[in-house]
Amino acid sequence: AQSVTQPDIHITVSEGASLELRCNYSYGATPYLFWYVQSPGQGLQLLLKYFSGDTLVQGIKGFEAEFKRSQSSFNLRKPSVHWSDAAEYFCAVGARNFGNEKLTFGTGTRLTIIP
Amino acid sequence: DAGVIQSPRHEVTEMGQEVTLRCKPISGHDYLFWYRQTMMRGLELLIYFNNNVPIDDSGMPEDRFSAKMPNASFSTLKIQPSEPRDSAVYFCASSTGDSIQYFGAGTRLSVL
Repeated sequence: AQSVTQPDIHITVSEGASLELRCNYSYGATPYLFWYVQSPGQGLQLLLKYFSGDTLVQGIKGFEAEFKRSQSSFNLRKPSVHWSDAAEYFCAVGARNFGNEKLTFGTGTRLTIIP
Repeated sequence: DAGVIQSPRHEVTEMGQEVTLRCKPISGHDYLFWYRQTMMRGLELLIYFNNNVPIDDSGMPEDRFSAKMPNASFSTLKIQPSEPRDSAVYFCASSTGDSIQYFGAGTRLSVL
């Protein structure tokens, strides 16, 4: 069974500083990997996804993530955060089995931005 | 595209009452998912449908919970009878089967 670990429950970053959110997964093969963002009172919005190919993927809002097979990681990065990036971020893993559309989500990392 | 539409956005009810949550998926999406989000348990998949047929309901907590999808554009999640521990945010999501899920804004349920 697949699983996802987000080791940081809460991260505080100054506006303009760089950001890295950690995600580690467990899966028997190369999974599908996702990052979603949830603003207060809202649903989850897809930031980016990795299916195959280039291990550095670009997403919306200036975010990127890098798939590292050797470390079973898919960390999310942004070079310079904005106050509007304050939200909860979820990493998710999906199986590469036809017809199995289940995603397993991590517990989330809450991002606080300070001026 | 209107996105996934959930109603109501907020529901407050008393213990023992029946609660019905509604979801309209994105047109053309043939997968529909129901999730529950709480502080203690995070985001849990309750059930998902493909072409209106339940595929996996292993996350449904107990018999008090039921979900239906009578057609491609509508699904309900019903709790009967409701209990305070059911208080949570319930999300609906839909997908075309490419593993990318699109979420609604959620229904915040409070059972008193």
